Amino acid sequence: GAGVSQSPRYKVAKRGQDVALRCDPISGHVSLFWYQQALGQGPEFLTYFQNEAQLDKSGLPSDRFFAERPEGSVSTLKIQRTQQEDSAVYLCASSSRRQESSYEQYFGPGTRLTVT
Amino acid sequence: GESVGLHLPTLSVQEGDNSIINCAYSNSASDYFIWYKQESGKGPQFIIDIRSNMDKRQGQRVTVLLNKTVKHLSLQIAATQPGDSAVYFCAEIPFSGTYKYIFGTGTRLKVLA
Repeated sequence: GAGVSQSPRYKVAKRGQDVALRCDPISGHVSLFWYQQALGQGPEFLTYFQNEAQLDKSGLPSDRFFAERPEGSVSTLKIQRTQQEDSAVYLCASSSRRQESSYEQYFGPGTRLTVT
Repeated sequence: GESVGLHLPTLSVQEGDNSIINCAYSNSASDYFIWYKQESGKGPQFIIDIRSNMDKRQGQRVTVLLNKTVKHLSLQIAATQPGDSAVYFCAEIPFSGTYKYIFGTGTRLKVLA
């Protein structure tokens, strides 16, 4: 079936604007993760959902970042009043967690956010 | 597409040779380790994983070695091919219940023809 998809692939925002990034996980995957990847760096954890419940948001850098997954499928990462330091690739990953022997996460292609 | 690994350590390997990519992890209580490959403009792609109760695991052309004593992980790629050129990240999963990945800084692998 289809993999994880993210939209838009590229987003340019003026400083101070709000943005919304969408993630469509693999159908049936229980777990959903958001990561932020700055240029030349490894991805850094932002937040984790199990179905519709946001169980871990310890990686969200400020209260300007908000994520939701209201029906346990599609997720949206919202960034309010964007700042230049928010420029990064935002990766979404999903995992079935039904395979006891594996914690493999399947990543989407990411959304490249540039704040000008 | 943009370059994922502009300022990352780079390993240059001749096509056909074996590659060894190293990674140090931080949490001695981590239960699970995984290697991902990332090409420019794409999300990370799973390569191989290993649990903390193992010290070696082999896949197709890849082997992961885990040394818990010194908290070191390595990825060996046999007969490196041009398609292996990418940035490679190791990740650990601390036993926290959320199974989030803690990624390392990454290594850029360049395969020379």
